[in-house]
Amino acid sequence: EDQVTQSPEALRLQEGESSSLNCSYTVSGLRGLFWYRQDPGKGPEFLFTLYSAGEEKEKERLKATLTKKESFLHITAPKPEDSATYLCAVQAGYQKVTFGTGTKLQVIP
Amino acid sequence: KAGVTQTPRYLIKTRGQQVTLSCSPISGHRSVSWYQQTPGQGLQFLFEYFSETQRNKGNFPGRFSGRQFSNSRSEMNVSTLELGDSALYLCASSSKQGRDNEQFFGPGTRLTVL
Repeated sequence: EDQVTQSPEALRLQEGESSSLNCSYTVSGLRGLFWYRQDPGKGPEFLFTLYSAGEEKEKERLKATLTKKESFLHITAPKPEDSATYLCAVQAGYQKVTFGTGTKLQVIP
Repeated sequence: KAGVTQTPRYLIKTRGQQVTLSCSPISGHRSVSWYQQTPGQGLQFLFEYFSETQRNKGNFPGRFSGRQFSNSRSEMNVSTLELGDSALYLCASSSKQGRDNEQFFGPGTRLTVL
């Protein structure tokens, strides 16, 4: 069965302090790895899709990378508005999408 | 383009009752998936519909069911509600065309079972 493990569970950063979130996965035949951001009381917001090892994508202060076993979400010089829960998910073939439990990020001014 | 909409946004029910939640996907999207989100379990997959057919199903009891209409709108039904069914129910739509497989989520329906 597909598995996704995210670490750390929670992360507290000072504004401007760069860091990385980890997503380790086990899946047979990766079709896509997804990153989402979720604010309290709202639905997840799509950030990136990564398809194959070595692929990287960037959006503002966020950069996602992918290897055969894990993905990283790098946050450069974060701002308080980056505070949210970041979710990682994988899909194998046309099977269901499996989500990790997320990393709750807090950026302090 | 309008996003995914879900109705109602909040529901309060009592044990034993049943409930129906509705989801309207992004225009042109034919795939709709449903998830249950709780603080302890995170996002748990319920089922996915594509062109009115259930394509995938998660590990939930038969009290949870769904359907999709010809206009891609979807409904989810939970019968004989239990206290543990209290959760945020999220609907996500996807175009499932070529490589475009990312899901776009609605705001969710917050269900409270008393």
